[in-house]
Amino acid sequence: AQSVTQPDIHITVSEGASLELRCNYSYGATPYLFWYVQSPGQGLQLLLKYFSGDTLVQGIKGFEAEFKRSQSSFNLRKPSVHWSDAAEYFCAVESSGAGSYQLTFGKGTKLSVIP
Amino acid sequence: ETGVTQTPRHLVMGMTNKKSLKCEQHLGHNAMYWYKQSAKKPLELMFVYSLEERVENNSVPSRFSPECPNSSHLFLHLHTLQPEDSALYLCASSRRGQNTGELFFGEGSRLTVL
Repeated sequence: AQSVTQPDIHITVSEGASLELRCNYSYGATPYLFWYVQSPGQGLQLLLKYFSGDTLVQGIKGFEAEFKRSQSSFNLRKPSVHWSDAAEYFCAVESSGAGSYQLTFGKGTKLSVIP
Repeated sequence: ETGVTQTPRHLVMGMTNKKSLKCEQHLGHNAMYWYKQSAKKPLELMFVYSLEERVENNSVPSRFSPECPNSSHLFLHLHTLQPEDSALYLCASSRRGQNTGELFFGEGSRLTVL
């Protein structure tokens, strides 16, 4: 069965600093990978996704993620964090192939930003 | 106006009550989902409806009963719940058949069972 591990429960960074959130997955086939963000009191919003091709994918709000098959990782990065990025971030893998959209989520990483 | 609207946003109910959560999507999608979000646990997929037919039921207790009367509306009927059912219930929609993998979520209904 597929699984997603986000090893960091809570990360605190200063505004303007760089950010990397870690995600490791376990999945037998070529994974479809996603990062979602959840602001307080809100639902989840898709930041970016990887299906195939270029392993470095760009998303909204200045985020990017890199797929590394050898490490089974899909880490999320941002070069300069803004206070509005404070939220919870979820990595997800699609469970059973294209079109099913049955996502397995990690437990999330809560990001706090210090002014 | 958000694409996926959930009501009520907050609900407190006793274990003997019957209540319903409502979800409406204005995106023209043809698949709708219920997820459960509990503290310190990953999001759990509960039900999936595609073209108004239930295509997934992830071993959810029968005290949760979904209903999808049309492609724009999804309900979750609740009865004789337990305190451990207290959680944030998220509705989502998507366009099945297109290889986007993107779910559009509502803001959730925060349920507290006393």
